[in-house]
Amino acid sequence: EAGVAQSPRYKIIEKRQSVAFWCNPISGHATLYWYQQILGQGPKLLIQFQNNGVVDDSQLPKDRFSAERLKGVDSTLKIQPAKLEDSAVYLCASTPARRSTEAFFGQGTRLTVV
Amino acid sequence: AQSVTQPDIHITVSEGASLELRCNYSYGATPYLFWYVQSPGQGLQLLLKYFSGDTLVQGIKGFEAEFKRSQSSFNLRKPSVHWSDAAEYFCAVGLKTSYDKVIFGPGTSLSVIP
Repeated sequence: EAGVAQSPRYKIIEKRQSVAFWCNPISGHATLYWYQQILGQGPKLLIQFQNNGVVDDSQLPKDRFSAERLKGVDSTLKIQPAKLEDSAVYLCASTPARRSTEAFFGQGTRLTVV
Repeated sequence: AQSVTQPDIHITVSEGASLELRCNYSYGATPYLFWYVQSPGQGLQLLLKYFSGDTLVQGIKGFEAEFKRSQSSFNLRKPSVHWSDAAEYFCAVGLKTSYDKVIFGPGTSLSVIP
């Protein structure tokens, strides 16, 4: 079974530029999460999808971050414009069904904003 | 509000010594409980999980954890640490809401002295 795929693995951009991350969850997984992990901290949930609908985006900075999950499969997370404090690893995870809650994680995308 | 605390930011143990990493949570009901490990540059790997039943849970790599409802704790243990166990360890809780939500603690960094 293929795991959660994320791209790119690394990205360096200047502040005020835009950037997008892509995630392909495990096939058949209904729930998809985007987490932000700042160096030295635990992952912080940014947004959670159930199929193609958003069920929790309470910690997503909506003035600059956006995410979508078309057709309930792949997802993209965008930052526009980026700030220095957005430097972090962005992790995508998926779970197979409601209430299973065991999340499978991708390798993450390391973003550096300079 | 729901929260997960890991009181120890960093722990150093000698190879062969025993290990206990602490985790406490704040939630109105018994959540699902997880321990993840993250090696440098790697994604998050699930060590073990507790959903219900026996409060002592066995995981991979010789780890175990014990759920104590009265203390709202889920401490991770290993009787004999190996140098390869050096990594970041994250406790996480899955909240039993209308949709799955997983939140993470801040992590404990483990160093192993040969």
